[in-house]
Amino acid sequence: EPEVTQTPSHQVTQMGQEVILRCVPISNHLYFYWYRQILGQKVEFLVSFYNNEISEKSEIFDDQFSVERPDGSNFTLKIRSTKLEDSAMYFCASGAGGPEETQYFGPGTRLLVL
Amino acid sequence: QKEVEQNSGPLSVPEGAIASLNCTYSDRGSQSFFWYRQYSGKSPELIMSIYSNGDKEDGRFTAQLNKASQYVSLLIRDSQPSDSATYLCAVHSGGGADGLTFGKGTHLIIQP
Repeated sequence: EPEVTQTPSHQVTQMGQEVILRCVPISNHLYFYWYRQILGQKVEFLVSFYNNEISEKSEIFDDQFSVERPDGSNFTLKIRSTKLEDSAMYFCASGAGGPEETQYFGPGTRLLVL
Repeated sequence: QKEVEQNSGPLSVPEGAIASLNCTYSDRGSQSFFWYRQYSGKSPELIMSIYSNGDKEDGRFTAQLNKASQYVSLLIRDSQPSDSATYLCAVHSGGGADGLTFGKGTHLIIQP
């Protein structure tokens, strides 16, 4: 069964450093998403991406964040200058779109900012 | 501000019994509703989706939707210890690439 994959599974970085989180969505899906979950809190939507551009973004997705689909398979989330409060699990999800709008989640990247 | 509310629990249910999980949402325009299961440290795993008022059954799981009351529920029949997890209710507005709005989840414990 096709699944969303993410790398790395864990990332430790120093405050102020740039990190890139990578995702390979399910191959025939058209919609791609990033979510984050701070420890003990709910899953929060960051951004959605469709047709090679951002479709929707939340208040969390400020100028330090960017997304890119550099080729036909990868989908990346870049955090330009990490802050302590960026420490969280970051989930990539993809969906086929249409009336069902089901989104399938990858295993996540645990980001720790020191 | 779209909100999804769930009782955080823990909800403790004996093995073999029915577990009942509830969720309310604030956005009356919401179109699609999902239940995800999340084990500690893992990603959300889709359990059920429902789009129309009424019940939808899939194996041991039944999702119920009442749009007038803005209420979604999940019933788990013949609960197993492996069902012990946090159950996340998620709501979608129905617009193209909108993100899901999640509740904080209900922690379910199935007692052997």
